[in-house]
Amino acid sequence: ETGVTQTPRHLVMGMTNKKSLKCEQHLGHNAMYWYKQSAKKPLELMFVYSLEERVENNSVPSRFSPECPNSSHLFLHLHTLQPEDSALYLCASSQDGAPGYNEQFFGPGTRLTVL
Amino acid sequence: EDQVTQSPEALRLQEGESSSLNCSYTVSGLRGLFWYRQDPGKGPEFLFTLYSAGEEKEKERLKATLTKKESFLHITAPKPEDSATYLCAVQARASGGSYIPTFGRGTSLIVHP
Repeated sequence: ETGVTQTPRHLVMGMTNKKSLKCEQHLGHNAMYWYKQSAKKPLELMFVYSLEERVENNSVPSRFSPECPNSSHLFLHLHTLQPEDSALYLCASSQDGAPGYNEQFFGPGTRLTVL
Repeated sequence: EDQVTQSPEALRLQEGESSSLNCSYTVSGLRGLFWYRQDPGKGPEFLFTLYSAGEEKEKERLKATLTKKESFLHITAPKPEDSATYLCAVQARASGGSYIPTFGRGTSLIVHP
């Protein structure tokens, strides 16, 4: 595997389900990100893990919970989601101490549909 | 409040018809402006980083420039394979003090053969 991989690529879940998205980066980077991409809206940064520091977008609901066990792996745990959470969820990584300072490398995304 | 505004929202060109995409920003203390390309069903792909006004970078038919208020992505003699959504992002200071990237809505470019 090379670059940034994400699984699953597609996910359909009910509002009462619990699921997790997985991201793995094979680039040796030290920062990882979760983004939400909805139609006609800008990419929305959700969470950043960089050099063991976690940065959160305060507007992200608590039904989204990130986990970063090491610098290569990132998870997004989902529970009791709403239909408006349906979107493309993108993972990215970069190499630097300051979140967002350097260019990011993105995975292909997980297309999430909440019924 | 949007700190990054991209225009136009959509652009249709004939093959070989050069044009420019605009990204204007209102961030104080710019730490970097990034251009990405995104194809349908894929994640964004990094193109350029610009750090200071007056800086220019080129890659094949693309040239990015930066002023204190905006950046342009110039596309010279585009080909159909240049069709994609082009995203602009700036590094902005979040409420907690950290710098995080803020993206514009993108420009959807279609190049007709």
